[in-house]
Amino acid sequence: EPEVTQTPSHQVTQMGQEVILRCVPISNHLYFYWYRQILGQKVEFLVSFYNNEISEKSEIFDDQFSVERPDGSNFTLKIRSTKLEDSAMYFCASTGTFDNSNQPQHFGDGTRLSIL
Amino acid sequence: GEDVEQSLFLSVREGDSSVINCTYTDSSSTYLYWYKQEPGAGLQLLTYIFSNMDMKQDQRLTVLLNKKDKHLSLRIADTQTGDSAIYFCAVPAPYGGSQGNLIFGKGTKLSVKP
Repeated sequence: EPEVTQTPSHQVTQMGQEVILRCVPISNHLYFYWYRQILGQKVEFLVSFYNNEISEKSEIFDDQFSVERPDGSNFTLKIRSTKLEDSAMYFCASTGTFDNSNQPQHFGDGTRLSIL
Repeated sequence: GEDVEQSLFLSVREGDSSVINCTYTDSSSTYLYWYKQEPGAGLQLLTYIFSNMDMKQDQRLTVLLNKKDKHLSLRIADTQTGDSAIYFCAVPAPYGGSQGNLIFGKGTKLSVKP
């Protein structure tokens, strides 16, 4: 079964450094998402992306965050200057095809981001 | 704002049925989901139900949806120790449709005792 893949599985970064989290959504999906889960807390929506632009973003997704689809397969989340509170598990998800936009969201295994 | 509530813990004996409940304040008319998360792992799509259905059965899993009461439940029959995990209820944000973002509950930690 096709799946969403995320790399790396664990990223350790010094506070203030930039980090890029990578995702390869399911190949024919059109809608992409980033969520995060701070340890022990609920999964929170960050941003959705469709047709090469942001569809929606939460209040968490401030100017330090950006997303990009640099080519036909990757979907990235960049945090420009990381803070301690950015430490979390970051999940990528995708859904929807040209012939069926009404599908469930499938998630990757996540990238654990640890800010030191 | 929109909210999704779940009880935090459930403990059952192996072989019993588990019922995990979820209530939500509002949702789009599309899929509602149950995800499973094992320790240190990602979110596994366990099952989902479309909002025009009352019930969906998938092997040991039964999902019940009461739209009037905004209540979603997941029943696991013949619960096994391998079912021990955190189960998240997730509903689509209102007006977002199936492409909208999901709102998650805090998760119910299911512990299965042998």
